[in-house]
Order: sequence, then C-alpha cells, then structure tokens
Amino acid sequence: NAGVTQTPKFQVLKTGQSMTLQCAQDMNHEYMSWYRQDPGMGLRLIHYSVGAGITDQGEVPNGYNVSRSTTEDFPLRLLSAAPSQTSVYFCASSYDRGYEQYFGPGTRLTVT
Amino acid sequence: DAKTTQPPSMDCAEGRAANLPCNHSTISGNEYVYWYRQIHSQGPQYIIHGLKNNETNEMASLIITEDRKSSTLILPHATLRDTAVYYCIVRVTANSGAGSYQLTFGKGTKLSVIP
Repeated sequence: NAGVTQTPKFQVLKTGQSMTLQCAQDMNHEYMSWYRQDPGMGLRLIHYSVGAGITDQGEVPNGYNVSRSTTEDFPLRLLSAAPSQTSVYFCASSYDRGYEQYFGPGTRLTVT
Repeated sequence: DAKTTQPPSMDCAEGRAANLPCNHSTISGNEYVYWYRQIHSQGPQYIIHGLKNNETNEMASLIITEDRKSSTLILPHATLRDTAVYYCIVRVTANSGAGSYQLTFGKGTKLSVIP
C-alpha cells in the first residue's frame, strides 16, 4: 500500500492564482481531512469528509473548497491564493471518524 | 476535548528508554489518550492510543494512571530516528456522534535523542 499520497510536494503561487492540491489514499478509508500547519503552531483542520459525496467545514475553511467524488481522492482547491495561505498542507485519512489517522507527507505552499 | 499539558522539550541518550509524560486532568470517561509524533518536515505519525489499560505495540508502550489524569509514552530503546515532536491528544472514540473528529495538536514535546 502507498498509504496517503499528496502532490505536489512544493508549490509557489502568485497572489490571485488558483490551484488544486491532490490527496489520494489506497486503504479504502471513509474519513479524509485536510490540515494546515503554520510555523510554531499545531495543525488546524480546513475541511473533512466522512465518505464519498459528503464534505464539511473544519476550523479554517475560508478560501478553500473540497469535493469527494470517490473514496480514494480528496482534492483541496485554492480559488484565489493569498499570502496568508502560505503554509504546509497535510492530508489525512482513517477507517472512520474517531479512528487513528494516517497522514500524507505534506505539500509546502508559498504564495507571493 | 480535554486539554493536555506536556513538557516543551526532553533529551534522551541513544539506546535508553525515553519516557514522555502528559497531564490530562480534565479527561472524560469516554476519551481516549492518543500519541502522535512528527519528525521534522514530515506528516504526523500515529503511535499508540489507550483508554485505561496499559497498551503496547511495536513502537511504544502507553502507561495510563489509574485515575486517568496522566499518562506516559515509553520508547523502550530510543534511536536517533526517534528525534521528533511528540503530541499527546485526548479524544472521544469512534461512534461518538457527529462532528469532524478534529485532532487538536498542541505544541507537544520535542524529544532529542543524543548519541
């Protein structure tokens, strides 16, 4: 199993550009989520999904969209990038809500 | 969710046991204690979790006090690769109802394993 994979590993965007961060898992997990981690801070939840077709907002959802058309994939879209979105983004999955979560390697995003 | 308190940093000699403490005095009866770690620049890694009994797996042991107000994560033979930030998190179990099951990561304990 590849586990949780994320692409790209690094990305530089200009203010106002849009992009999609990809996340995929091959463990048939129902629950998937996106976190961001800023320097010296803990992880903050952006969006989560409890299954295909079901998504909801987390702690810091503004500026981000998600969709879950398949069990395997959970992309995160930045519609109009802002410097405040410079961060490291982690995707995670678990068998179901409440079970231990498995994290991807992260995407390091810089918005200039 | 119950709040946890961990020391900001600890050192451990390579090959020795690393004992990482965590206080969670407001833990509720249905809350588990979870431990994750984050090695520099990597995603957090699940280590172990428990409710009230001591738990052991291939990575570590978890000792929870009888009153459940504190716990200790034990890495029995620390190696240089165990250098990381360790997070103690208390959270309700699965099937607890609606909600995001957000993991609340505090600042954790930075463990440095010294040769």
